[in-house]
Amino acid sequence: LAKTTQPISMDSYEGQEVNITCSHNNIATNDYITWYQQFPSQGPRFIIQGYKTKVTNEVASLFIPADRKSSTLSLPRVSLSDTAVYYCLVGAGNNRKLIWGLGTSLAVNP
Amino acid sequence: NAGVTQTPKFQVLKTGQSMTLQCAQDMNHEYMSWYRQDPGMGLRLIHYSVGAGITDQGEVPNGYNVSRSTTEDFPLRLLSAAPSQTSVYFCASSYSRGRDYEQYFGPGTRLTVT
Repeated sequence: LAKTTQPISMDSYEGQEVNITCSHNNIATNDYITWYQQFPSQGPRFIIQGYKTKVTNEVASLFIPADRKSSTLSLPRVSLSDTAVYYCLVGAGNNRKLIWGLGTSLAVNP
Repeated sequence: NAGVTQTPKFQVLKTGQSMTLQCAQDMNHEYMSWYRQDPGMGLRLIHYSVGAGITDQGEVPNGYNVSRSTTEDFPLRLLSAAPSQTSVYFCASSYSRGRDYEQYFGPGTRLTVT
């Protein structure tokens, strides 16, 4: 099972771009990288998923280098409402094998 | 769609009591699962189901039972509550193939066992 390492916490300000990097050195060939967001007192919410290169949706971008040993979640122009915990997960699409770490607690300040 | 719903939102139990946490989804998802989330730890998988009539154990199944008689419902039963089961419980659902990485989570049940 691929383990991930991410910063415990990050601080930012409204309007800035935030990049959260996740390390997954032992990612397997058929593993995908998935990011979730969790607000206090709510369940996690799927943000984005990718396999290689770059993926972009209406919420975020995910950058994955060629060796796939890390990935970076990019949140453009954050607002106060982006204050949340962000989880990076690596797995082969089999939910029961995904390991949820502690995530990165992002605080966006005015 | 209501998505994934969970009841109750809050519950206080005494040690030894039993109860059932309810979970329902209206997205016709095959895969459903139960997690617990404790301070200082990530989400941990308790039980999961890949379809009606099929359930299996996750990482921390002891003290919990599940059943899946319909696609929509996946209740979690605590047989004899213990203080170690104080936690926030999340139910989630997803498609079983293809986009099964995209789980939809319920709002959670905060359980306290005294």
